[in-house]
Amino acid sequence: AQKVTQAQTEISVVEKEDVTLDCVYETRDTTYYLFWYKQPPSGELVFLIRRNSFDEQNEISGRYSWNFQKSTSSFNFTITASQVVDSAVYFCALSENNQGGKLIFGQGTELSVKP
Amino acid sequence: GAVVSQHPSRVICKSGTSVKIECRSLDFQATTMFWYRQFPKKSLMLMATSNEGSKATYEQGVEKDKFLINHASLTLSTLTVTSAHPEDSSFYICSATQGGVSTDTQYFGPGTRLTVL
Repeated sequence: AQKVTQAQTEISVVEKEDVTLDCVYETRDTTYYLFWYKQPPSGELVFLIRRNSFDEQNEISGRYSWNFQKSTSSFNFTITASQVVDSAVYFCALSENNQGGKLIFGQGTELSVKP
Repeated sequence: GAVVSQHPSRVICKSGTSVKIECRSLDFQATTMFWYRQFPKKSLMLMATSNEGSKATYEQGVEKDKFLINHASLTLSTLTVTSAHPEDSSFYICSATQGGVSTDTQYFGPGTRLTVL
């Protein structure tokens, strides 16, 4: 069965610290997609990244980077030099190829960046 | 690009009334739209998948007669909570996929906070 686990419920850091948000997934499908979304206090989910199961290259976008490791079924997200505006709930999600686009979300990690 | 809107953003209604929530894709055509429900401090729970011109597919445990979904055009899907009760109070979020494949990236609306008194 498919499942996404974000073991860190809450993380608190001080501005300019680096922080890594963990995501571990379970799937029996060989073709799947992984996502990260940011949900600020306003409530809207903001798309951050999509990665398919055949692309294990790590990705960097500004202060954000993602580490996809199929061997450990992990898709971790790192924020470098965190800022107060990074404070939000971050969700990792999984979509399997044969499930019609259904997203399975992790429990979310609430990140608090203090000045 | 890929902007999704929802209306209303917040609604308060009396128990027993029906409430309609609209979800629109503003700059793209959305063959597939999804409706989620989120409780405070919780993750998102998929309620149903909506394909333009066909009946919605509901997740197990979601009452289709209570949560009516209509996807009449490629840019609009509506969720109607019928005979709302306080336990229906929640944050409802829709999403839409931009491409023709349902596994494309889902772009989310800003959500609708429903409070049933």
